[in-house]
Amino acid sequence: GQSLEQPSEVTAVEGAIVQINCTYQTSGFYGLSWYQQHDGGAPTFLSYNALDGLEETGRFSSFLSRSDSYGYLLLQELQMKDSASYFCAVFSGGYQKVTFGTGTKLQVIP
Amino acid sequence: DVKVTQSSRYLVKRTGEKVFLECVQDMDHENMFWYRQDPGLGLRLIYFSYDVKMKEKGDIPEGYSVSREKKERFSLILESASTNQTSMYLCASSLWQSGGGGGYTFGSGTRLTVV
Repeated sequence: GQSLEQPSEVTAVEGAIVQINCTYQTSGFYGLSWYQQHDGGAPTFLSYNALDGLEETGRFSSFLSRSDSYGYLLLQELQMKDSASYFCAVFSGGYQKVTFGTGTKLQVIP
Repeated sequence: DVKVTQSSRYLVKRTGEKVFLECVQDMDHENMFWYRQDPGLGLRLIYFSYDVKMKEKGDIPEGYSVSREKKERFSLILESASTNQTSMYLCASSLWQSGGGGGYTFGSGTRLTVV
């Protein structure tokens, strides 16, 4: 089976940097994705890492270490609108199946 | 942009009723998925489909079935609704991409309450 672990809650100050970690156990690993979900909204795709290293997209970066079964999402210059839940998700190939973690609720405070 | 549309935002049904949740996507995606989302449990995969008339069980298929008669439409069926099926149901679609991607587009969700 597959399992993912991420912190349930994180609080950070506006303008700061926050890192949300994700560790996983899976077979047939292809890559790690990150999704953002605001309260009452649909999850939206943020990033995907198939190879080791850091991928940067604006204020958001995502990192993967396949040997450590570990990844993280880095949010810089935090804004109040970044308050949301963030899910890591393992892509295990085959028929494009993605397994989600239980989510990290990020609260950005002034 | 890809649009995934779920037919109802809120739904209230009685125990034992047969319930249909409809999902339509407009970008010719091969893959479609049904998840349920519950507090503290994240998103759990119920069923998915990678082609018309094809379906695969996810992690929690019990009590559910699906139908995909057309590429753009994927229906989730609760054969006999029970209170433990009260949840937020999310439909998603994605392109078939060998070896990577997994970038799903989600619908806005259907919050189903079974009383």
